Amino acid sequence: DVKVTQSSRYLVKRTGEKVFLECVQDMDHENMFWYRQDPGLGLRLIYFSYDVKMKEKGDIPEGYSVSREKKERFSLILESASTNQTSMYLCASSLGSVGDTQYFGPGTRLTVL
Amino acid sequence: AQRVTQPEKLLSVFKGAPVELKCNYSYSGSPELFWYVQYSRQRLQLLLRHISRESIKGFTADLNKGETSFHLKKPFAQEEDSAMYYCALRRGSGTYKYIFGTGTRLKVLA
Repeated sequence: DVKVTQSSRYLVKRTGEKVFLECVQDMDHENMFWYRQDPGLGLRLIYFSYDVKMKEKGDIPEGYSVSREKKERFSLILESASTNQTSMYLCASSLGSVGDTQYFGPGTRLTVL
Repeated sequence: AQRVTQPEKLLSVFKGAPVELKCNYSYSGSPELFWYVQYSRQRLQLLLRHISRESIKGFTADLNKGETSFHLKKPFAQEEDSAMYYCALRRGSGTYKYIFGTGTRLKVLA
């Protein structure tokens, strides 16, 4: 059974802080994703990685960066947190094949004060 | 532009009634479509995908290319079906990036 874990369930940070959200998957999946989930807006893709050290911007990359130094780990970085980045952040991974399934982590609810 | 539209934010039905969650898409190529579900206090998970043509938990969804729709249906709703449902579109054969709809919350009333 695929397991995707995220480092924190809840996080409270102050405006201007640098924030790291960590995601780890244990099934040797090629692809990893970071989304933010907001009421009325659904899931929006922030960044996507299809291999170690490879990344692509999603729909809303501004204010975020990512790092994938190892296949199992995908980090989302908020360089200088702002209040409009208060959200639920979901990490997902997928094997990378036709009709592949995304497996999601439990989410991190980030509040920026 | 590629787009997934779920017109209903909330759908309330009585137990035993039929359910239809609407999903329309805009995409120029051959779409791959999925339904994901998130039950209360659980993580988002795949419910079904159109290429499998499967029925999961009594739910089915048929891709209608003429109407560009992928509506999710169940003939008799159960209380445990109450959840948030997202329709998703994979953006083309050369990528594993997806577009998700805004979601529909289904409430099944006793």
